[in-house]
Amino acid sequence: QQQVKQSPQSLIVQKGGISIINCAYENTAFDYFPWYQQFPGKGPALLIAIRPDVSEKKEGRFTISFNKSAKQFSLHIMDSQPGDSATYFCAARTSGSARQLTFGSGTQLTVLP
Amino acid sequence: ETGVTQTPRHLVMGMTNKKSLKCEQHLGHNAMYWYKQSAKKPLELMFVYNFKEQTENNSVPSRFSPECPNSSHLFLHLHTLQPEDSALYLCASSQDPTRDTEAFFGQGTRLTVV
Repeated sequence: QQQVKQSPQSLIVQKGGISIINCAYENTAFDYFPWYQQFPGKGPALLIAIRPDVSEKKEGRFTISFNKSAKQFSLHIMDSQPGDSATYFCAARTSGSARQLTFGSGTQLTVLP
Repeated sequence: ETGVTQTPRHLVMGMTNKKSLKCEQHLGHNAMYWYKQSAKKPLELMFVYNFKEQTENNSVPSRFSPECPNSSHLFLHLHTLQPEDSALYLCASSQDPTRDTEAFFGQGTRLTVV
């Protein structure tokens, strides 16, 4: 019940295109959904996060869309740039005292110049 | 830099060796975590320490032994590891694991067990 399923495993996008990464979950106790970005040789870094009381959050070129009824959320990267090439992880956190992050398996994004 | 420093960055060890991974955070956080990152798999939470007390141990084999002497330092002691333990081991910290505070990750230790 703690699993977060992420797709696709890898994604290749042309510069200027839109990158879309999807995640789905089962546990309705999740109440916080962050996305992390990881460059080679670096640890993951928080990119953007959303709570289930809103359906969309936008920060610059990055947008999270959240569908509570479908238990799905996605990351959209507009005007994708080669510098966006990285591995992206979705995650979800439960409410209550044991607020552990459960991560998806990651998407390796390559943006071609 | 995120304020979380891990050493060493790379480690190769034999199955009979004993080694330790070190993590230090300079952010004044109260919680520290060990994660295991294997290729094409989700990050796996191994241990959680809150105010130096271990609050989570996610069924991690006893060949991994954590130590948290204070809120700024976290160690992972390794002994008699298996080749399948080869992975990137990430340390993270956050202000308080019971609240929605961001987790900051170190750069990780790339461990290879031969």
